[in-house]
Amino acid sequence: DTEVTQTPKHLVMGMTNKKSLKCEQHMGHRAMYWYKQKAKKPPELMFVYSYEKLSINESVPSRFSPECPNSSLLNLHLHALQPEDSALYLCASSHNFIFPNEQFFGPGTRLTVL
Amino acid sequence: KNEVEQSPQNLTAQEGEFITINCSYSVGISALHWLQQHPGGGIVSLFMLSSGKKKHGRLIATINIQEKHSSLHITASHPRDSAVYICAVRTTGTASKLTFGTGTRLQVTL
Repeated sequence: DTEVTQTPKHLVMGMTNKKSLKCEQHMGHRAMYWYKQKAKKPPELMFVYSYEKLSINESVPSRFSPECPNSSLLNLHLHALQPEDSALYLCASSHNFIFPNEQFFGPGTRLTVL
Repeated sequence: KNEVEQSPQNLTAQEGEFITINCSYSVGISALHWLQQHPGGGIVSLFMLSSGKKKHGRLIATINIQEKHSSLHITASHPRDSAVYICAVRTTGTASKLTFGTGTRLQVTL
């Protein structure tokens, strides 16, 4: 299984809602990533988890809260988002966080904040 | 100036043409990635290079570390190759954090 899955595919939420994005991989990867991508722009790194511990937070606002409950799962909890947070949210994984290695991306969740 | 520059930004080709996309970077790197993103979002990793040349099917990627330059070539292009191609580098001194280029939007027509 060389796949990273993400749910939901699409999400529409109001600014007062609380929702979560989910990401799963069963490749035994120990590094997992959240990226945000606006239209016609490259992905921007948000968070990196290594061995289920948060290793990088790219100064992301606290209305985004990541969680890595185990080595296969990565969540992104959303609360009190703004319309400018509307974007494609991509999850990725790689063997580890230490050496150069390929990142496998999920299909993304397209988020619209009303 | 971006640390990773790609050219061209947009490219239209006819089916069967040989295509070259270029990537230049200004920082020290431990690896360079070529990624493909189709409309709709999903990103596929095409190559990871730290030296030399790699080939997979109709795709060839080369890197010149001294010149800080990489190229992605597509031979016998096909409409299904239409996508955004993104160059990303893993800079030295950091872990698997990637710095992305702005992408090259390729359209291959019949």
